[in-house]
Amino acid sequence: AQSVTQLGSHVSVSEGALVLLRCNYSSSVPPYLFWYVQYPNQGLQLLLKYTSAATLVKGINGFEAEFKKSETSFHLTKPSAHMSDAAEYFCAVSAKGGGADGLTFGKGTHLIIQP
Amino acid sequence: GAGVSQTPSNKVTEKGKYVELRCDPISGHTALYWYRQSLGQGPEFLIYFQGTGAADDSGLPNDRFFAVRPEGSVSTLKIQRTERGDSAVYLCASSSQGSKRSTQYFGPGTRLTVL
Repeated sequence: AQSVTQLGSHVSVSEGALVLLRCNYSSSVPPYLFWYVQYPNQGLQLLLKYTSAATLVKGINGFEAEFKKSETSFHLTKPSAHMSDAAEYFCAVSAKGGGADGLTFGKGTHLIIQP
Repeated sequence: GAGVSQTPSNKVTEKGKYVELRCDPISGHTALYWYRQSLGQGPEFLIYFQGTGAADDSGLPNDRFFAVRPEGSVSTLKIQRTERGDSAVYLCASSSQGSKRSTQYFGPGTRLTVL
């Protein structure tokens, strides 16, 4: 079985500051890892995913994440926050091989951008 | 192109009633997933279809929940004898393949309220 822990249900940063959203996973087999963003009244949208190629993954809207096996982490970063980044962010894992076919999500982190 | 659509967007029902929630996946996507998102939580996997068959229903909470996809496209999630605890946003996602590394594209969800 796999699980995801997102540290911080709410993160507040100033516009232009670094965004860091934390995600740690637990999986008994090599994982696939995903970050999704959810804007109010919209569906989840994929930001980026790790599928065992490069450990540093670049996504849309200037976001990137680094897979660190030794730390079982997949933290999401963006160098400079923009007001439009305010949203709910979800980290998710799926496991190669066995286990459920759906994604296992964390509880989400609400990103607040201060002007 | 058209994304995943879900109808209705909102459904209010009374305890004990039967409800059906519909999902129209992206055209040509063979894989379809249902998730449930309770307030303040991440989406929780319910069931996965590959074509017409339910390949993984391990996430269905009990036998009051059932889903079908008779022609390999549109899917309907059916909930019998609804309970107040069933209140949540029900999300549908589709992907071009059933691979665990494939991107899942999510619909906007159906908000179910059981009174």
